[in-house]
Amino acid sequence: AQSVTQLDSQVPVFEEAPVELRCNYSSSVSVYLFWYVQYPNQGLQLLLKYLSGSTLVKGINGFEAEFNKSQTSFHLRKPSVHISDTAEYFCAVRIQGEGGKLIFGQGTELSVKP
Amino acid sequence: DAGITQSPRHKVTETGTPVTLRCHQTENHRYMYWYRQDPGHGLRLIHYSYGVKDTDKGEVSDGYSVSRSKTEDFLLTLESATSSQTSVYFCAISEHSYEQYFGPGTRLTVT
Repeated sequence: AQSVTQLDSQVPVFEEAPVELRCNYSSSVSVYLFWYVQYPNQGLQLLLKYLSGSTLVKGINGFEAEFNKSQTSFHLRKPSVHISDTAEYFCAVRIQGEGGKLIFGQGTELSVKP
Repeated sequence: DAGITQSPRHKVTETGTPVTLRCHQTENHRYMYWYRQDPGHGLRLIHYSYGVKDTDKGEVSDGYSVSRSKTEDFLLTLESATSSQTSVYFCAISEHSYEQYFGPGTRLTVT
């Protein structure tokens, strides 16, 4: 069965510092991978996606992620965070052949402090 | 933003009562999904639809039913609400079953 593990439930960081949010997945088949962001009291917004091709994908708001097939990871990074990046971040994997169902990780709460 | 609305946005109901949540889209996307979000669990799929009148179960479907009689509407029904169904419910849509776009959510409290 496919699963997604986000290794940190909370990540506190100071403004302008770099950040990495970690995501590992388990799957016996090829996967598509996604990162979503959820600001307080809002729905989820797509940050970036990996479908195929280059393993380094760039998304909105200066975020990027690297797909590492050998380590089954898809870590999210940003070189310099802002207060406005404070939010919850979800990693998700798409199940092949089942109507595009997504399996989500538990979420990582990013807290950016001044 | 994808044209997705959910109604109601907030609801308080009593144990044992039926509840229906509505998801409406203006994008004409084929796929629609219902998730629930609970602390420590991320989002979990309840049911999904791959076309009008075509639906299937997700991982937490017990106690829920769905219907899709039109492309634009996907209804989630709790036949007899329980306190364990207190949650935030999100609808999502997808055109080619790749990325999904989410609605604003419905906060449901069952007392």
